[in-house]
Amino acid sequence: AQKITQTQPGMFVQEKEAVTLDCTYDTSDPSYGLFWYKQPSSGEMIFLIYQGSYDQQNATEGRYSLNFQKARKSANLVISASQLGDSAMYFCAMREGLGFGNEKLTFGTGTRLTIIP
Amino acid sequence: EAGVVQSPRYKIIEKKQPVAFWCNPISGHNTLYWYRQNLGQGPELLIRYENEEAVDDSQLPKDRFSAERLKGVDSTLKIQPAELGDSAVYLCASSSVGLAGGHENEQFFGPGTRLTVL
Repeated sequence: AQKITQTQPGMFVQEKEAVTLDCTYDTSDPSYGLFWYKQPSSGEMIFLIYQGSYDQQNATEGRYSLNFQKARKSANLVISASQLGDSAMYFCAMREGLGFGNEKLTFGTGTRLTIIP
Repeated sequence: EAGVVQSPRYKIIEKKQPVAFWCNPISGHNTLYWYRQNLGQGPELLIRYENEEAVDDSQLPKDRFSAERLKGVDSTLKIQPAELGDSAVYLCASSSVGLAGGHENEQFFGPGTRLTVL
């Protein structure tokens, strides 16, 4: 079974609108972390936001927020007031186990987001 | 602060030729990762170093791939001989491992090396 599933290969969104990128995950480990990365055409993976499995509140970082629904095993990324510079590939990733030695990230297949002027 | 540096950015070789990629992590980061990203896919871990020790190389195809991080700083990933299926982007990342886990384990990625095998 896929550990990280991103079901939207591509999305087109009007500038200034909000957008939600879906991510579901599969793990039996009670301790895990969920990450979202942005990959522009330049190729570099840029960290956006992190959610720990024990965090009580949804993570927020500026225009990025994570809609964490633990029971449904989903960690959707919400980008508010989208900008043209948000056009990129977006990857959801998970690290199982939060202790020392559990740093491996498992990535989904990504969603290509295109912002339309 | 300088980010993760990788070179070359692009490499085109013929199959059966050797190729090497170089990575210099962020200063002070003891953990270094090599990922391979195939077209249309997310990155997949090849090998992880803690200082100079390879602590997870289970996904590294050891018949043709090798890596080293001799002084626990920069690292080299080599493929010999390269095959057509090795065409991909090779990403290097580094992190400063904390005992408590969480955000402090964020991995910082370099720009990658795009390899094309003809």
